[in-house]
Amino acid sequence: DAKTTQPNSMESNEEEPVHLPCNHSTISGTDYIHWYRQLPSQGPEYVIHGLTSNVNNRMASLAIAEDRKSSTLILHRATLRDAAVYYCILRDVAGTGANNLFFGTGTRLTVIP
Amino acid sequence: DSGVTQTPKHLITATGQRVTLRCSPRSGDLSVYWYQQSLDQGLQFLIQYYNGEERAKGNILERFSAQQFPDLHSELNLSSLELGDSALYFCASSGNRESSPLHFGNGTRLTVT
Repeated sequence: DAKTTQPNSMESNEEEPVHLPCNHSTISGTDYIHWYRQLPSQGPEYVIHGLTSNVNNRMASLAIAEDRKSSTLILHRATLRDAAVYYCILRDVAGTGANNLFFGTGTRLTVIP
Repeated sequence: DSGVTQTPKHLITATGQRVTLRCSPRSGDLSVYWYQQSLDQGLQFLIQYYNGEERAKGNILERFSAQQFPDLHSELNLSSLELGDSALYFCASSGNRESSPLHFGNGTRLTVT
């Protein structure tokens, strides 16, 4: 599976936008870019995913570079509830049926009141 | 609420014992995944089932086994337990499209004494 590289930690002030970067220089054409987050004492939570185009949902936006070698998860207005570990994961859906996720170490986001 | 139910929430047992963890997937989801999260290892993929059949295997020990039943619930059996098996065990389910996101339960915390 292609690997991703994320900063170990980031800080943001409450109510400000947060841009969480992810590098995935060995991404293949069939890899979807998935983002999950894990709040303390909870299971991972799906945030957003995309293939080539930028994506928006109620939780966040995903900006994907034109060459797909990097992406950025954007939280438009950080709240204290957004403090979590954010995982950027490449998911190969090339028809093997084994579409499990491999989690790296993620980025620990601290939101400062 | 992800719709994935895991029981029990907590389990304390002794070394050498055997335990069974149970997972009910979201309604309609055919795929079930098991993950282990310990402090020093992060989230490790164990095994995936799709509609009752094993689809992918990760770092699952031979002492561990799983199955998915006709009603789609899944059980993870851990035997000959060791202190190092103490961890959070998460179950996730996903829809039937290969890019469908995973939805995680809140986990079972296993403590082996």
